[in-house]
Amino acid sequence: AQSVTQLDSQVPVFEEAPVELRCNYSSSVSVYLFWYVQYPNQGLQLLLKYLSGSTLVKGINGFEAEFNKSQTSFHLRKPSVHISDTAEYFCAVKGGNKLVFGAGTILRVKS
Amino acid sequence: KAGVTQTPRYLIKTRGQQVTLSCSPISGHRSVSWYQQTPGQGLQFLFEYFSETQRNKGNFPGRFSGRQFSNSRSEMNVSTLELGDSALYLCASSLAVSLNTEAFFGQGTRLTVV
Repeated sequence: AQSVTQLDSQVPVFEEAPVELRCNYSSSVSVYLFWYVQYPNQGLQLLLKYLSGSTLVKGINGFEAEFNKSQTSFHLRKPSVHISDTAEYFCAVKGGNKLVFGAGTILRVKS
Repeated sequence: KAGVTQTPRYLIKTRGQQVTLSCSPISGHRSVSWYQQTPGQGLQFLFEYFSETQRNKGNFPGRFSGRQFSNSRSEMNVSTLELGDSALYLCASSLAVSLNTEAFFGQGTRLTVV
């Protein structure tokens, strides 16, 4: 069975600072990984995905993530955050044709 | 093109009632999945439909059911509502049922049971 652990429930960071949101996964089959963002009272928006190929994946809004098979991780990074990046971020693994989500990490960007 | 549309956006129901939520997928998408989001349990998979057939089901009681129509639109129904059913219900559409297709989510329906 697949599972996802997001190691931080909240990450506070100052505007223009770099940020890393951590995600570890467990999967016994081929790995397909996703990061979604959720703004208040909104649905989920896909930030980026890893299906195969290059382990460094670039997404929207300047985010990127690196797939590390040996450490079973898929951490999300952004070199310089903006106030508008304040939201909840979800890491997910696709297994059995369904998405298994982590508990989410709230990114709070402070000015 | 239009995204995933969920109606209604907000709903208030009384315990014991039933409710039907609707989801219109992106044009051309044939797979629709439903998820429940609560503060305590997070995002949990309810079920997935493809070509009017349920292909996958999560661990929810039989009070939760769904269906998909020939135009790929989907509905989910919750009968005998309980307070714990209060949640954001999210619908996602995909081109097909396969591991390497991405899911696009709607804005959700916020259900409050009183």
